[in-house]
Amino acid sequence: KAGVTQTPRYLIKTRGQQVTLSCSPISGHRSVSWYQQTPGQGLQFLFEYFSETQRNKGNFPGRFSGRQFSNSRSEMNVSTLELGDSALYLCASSLEAWGSSYEQYFGPGTRLTVT
Amino acid sequence: EDKVVQSPLSLVVHEGDTVTLNCSYEVTNFRSLLWYKQEKKAPTFLFMLTSSGIEKKSGRLSSILDKKELSSILNITATQTGDSAIYLCAVESGGSNYKLTFGKGTLLTVNP
Repeated sequence: KAGVTQTPRYLIKTRGQQVTLSCSPISGHRSVSWYQQTPGQGLQFLFEYFSETQRNKGNFPGRFSGRQFSNSRSEMNVSTLELGDSALYLCASSLEAWGSSYEQYFGPGTRLTVT
Repeated sequence: EDKVVQSPLSLVVHEGDTVTLNCSYEVTNFRSLLWYKQEKKAPTFLFMLTSSGIEKKSGRLSSILDKKELSSILNITATQTGDSAIYLCAVESGGSNYKLTFGKGTLLTVNP
């Protein structure tokens, strides 16, 4: 079974631009969660999508948004990029939504550098 | 604000040693505690703990949750160089709005 895939793997953007990252979950998984990982803050939860609906959200500004499609693929968008948005963005998929306590499987991440 | 604290932050041991990693938490509406191993890539799932006092075991790794003490430990026996990684603890919490709060991790280095 193929794992979680994320595209692109690496991205360099300029301050003020916007970016869209993509995540394809493991086949059959319906929940996709997004995380930001930085050396200073560690791994921080962004949001979770299940059945095309955002169910849970972390403490990030409105510049961070996402969506999920009917095939469970998800995209995350960051608008008006700031230098502090440079990070590894990870997505994880699980069979069911949180609350069912299913384990999550992480993708390889997208390394975003903002200059 | 929910908090997950791991200790120690880093640890250097020799192959064959036994290590114990700690995770303590302060969250509202605890649901589960998870352990992950992160090498150079994405975290890989190790254990999910929901019930206090029940040990989860996988080979040389084991973990137990103490809900009274709001903590968990991850034990690794007979360590190998391949165990070198960052070990992350995360707590799932929340009522209608679930979230996952991660600790900063413990960097384990196993020397031959």
